[in-house]
Amino acid sequence: GNSVTQMEGPVTLSEEAFLTINCTYTATGYPSLFWYVQYPGEGLQLLLKATKADDKGSNKGFEATYRKETTSFHLEKGSVQVSDSAVYFCALRAAGGGNKLTFGTGTQLKVEL
Amino acid sequence: GAVVSQHPSWVICKSGTSVKIECRSLDFQATTMFWYRQFPKQSLMLMATSNEGSKATYEQGVEKDKFLINHASLTLSTLTVTSAHPEDSSFYICSARSGVSTDTQYFGPGTRLTVL
Repeated sequence: GNSVTQMEGPVTLSEEAFLTINCTYTATGYPSLFWYVQYPGEGLQLLLKATKADDKGSNKGFEATYRKETTSFHLEKGSVQVSDSAVYFCALRAAGGGNKLTFGTGTQLKVEL
Repeated sequence: GAVVSQHPSWVICKSGTSVKIECRSLDFQATTMFWYRQFPKQSLMLMATSNEGSKATYEQGVEKDKFLINHASLTLSTLTVTSAHPEDSSFYICSARSGVSTDTQYFGPGTRLTVL
């Protein structure tokens, strides 16, 4: 079946540091890939997505590139801010559409001054 | 962006009682709503998908008689945990989709259920 594996947290960084949160997946064909962010006390929000190989999703300074050869969708940001502190979830939706999202376990990011 | 609310945000109940959790789309009509369950340090697991006016579709391993889902209107879905037991304690999250884009699910903030 489909699965998503992401690095365990928490990840603690200083403000303006470079961020990488690793995400790899197992799925047949070409799934759509997503990163969701959950700020404290709020629901998950779509951060970015990519629907085909080599696509790069980007939003709010975050980027992730769909790498079919390594089945990865790592999240990166060049300079994090305290306001980026949240839990980040990698997810996939199977090729062929459908409703089901398969999530990773989430990675908590803490950014300190 | 679209807002989805859940009520209550947390609930504590005695074993054997039933608990109802509401999920509302506040500023859009949700043709489809999803219910997830999240255990500590684990991923969100889809429990069921409900379309307005029809029976919910449950994922494998989810007891439909235990977790009753009703999606009676385009803005409200409810999850009732019947005869709750301590193993049902978890974080329950709903999401809603307007039907315009299959990629866009709007998530509620979740409900923490603790069964004593």
